[in-house]
Amino acid sequence: GAGVSQSPSNKVTEKGKDVELRCDPISGHTALYWYRQSLGQGLEFLIYFQGNSAPDKSGLPSDRFSAERTGGSVSTLTIQRTQQEDSAVYLCASSLWSSGMGETQYFGPGTRLLVL
Amino acid sequence: ILNVEQSPQSLHVQEGDSTNFTCSFPSSNFYALHWYRWETAKSPEALFVMTLNGDEKKKGRISATLNTKEGYSYLYIKGSQPEDSATYLCAFKGGSEKLVFGKGTKLTVNP
Repeated sequence: GAGVSQSPSNKVTEKGKDVELRCDPISGHTALYWYRQSLGQGLEFLIYFQGNSAPDKSGLPSDRFSAERTGGSVSTLTIQRTQQEDSAVYLCASSLWSSGMGETQYFGPGTRLLVL
Repeated sequence: ILNVEQSPQSLHVQEGDSTNFTCSFPSSNFYALHWYRWETAKSPEALFVMTLNGDEKKKGRISATLNTKEGYSYLYIKGSQPEDSATYLCAFKGGSEKLVFGKGTKLTVNP
């Protein structure tokens, strides 16, 4: 079956512009996660959705970052007034359920964002 | 702040060699330990989810062990092949839904 898909795969933008990143989770997965990997760093948690609500937004680095999920499916991560330090690979993952110790998170291929 | 450490950072081996890497994580409030394999320009691929102390899991030539009391997990690759070249990530799950990742071990297998 289809895995997690993300678009665009690459995005180059100018400092100060807004960007939108999209994630299509695996059909039927109720939980959705956003992570990012900056150069030289490990994958860093940003936000988690259960259905359409976001019980944990603790990883969003500033109020320029926001995310929403509609219909329990597609999610968009929006970065306003992008800065050079926002350059990173943004990864989306989904899982069937959020609770449960052994639940696997399945990742998409990521969006590589470069802010000039 | 939760700290997940992986060692070594990078590793070069010859085809046919067996190798192993380490992941250390907090020994308190443990829920699960995940291993992923990430090839450049691809999605991270789930290898194992381990939840019980003493767990051993195997997938082909790759296996993993878990010690939750002392907070470490080993990933072993037997008879490495060039297609095993990738970054191997471990991730700790504590009491929240998020995974806390290490920085990974980058493996290069030379033919």
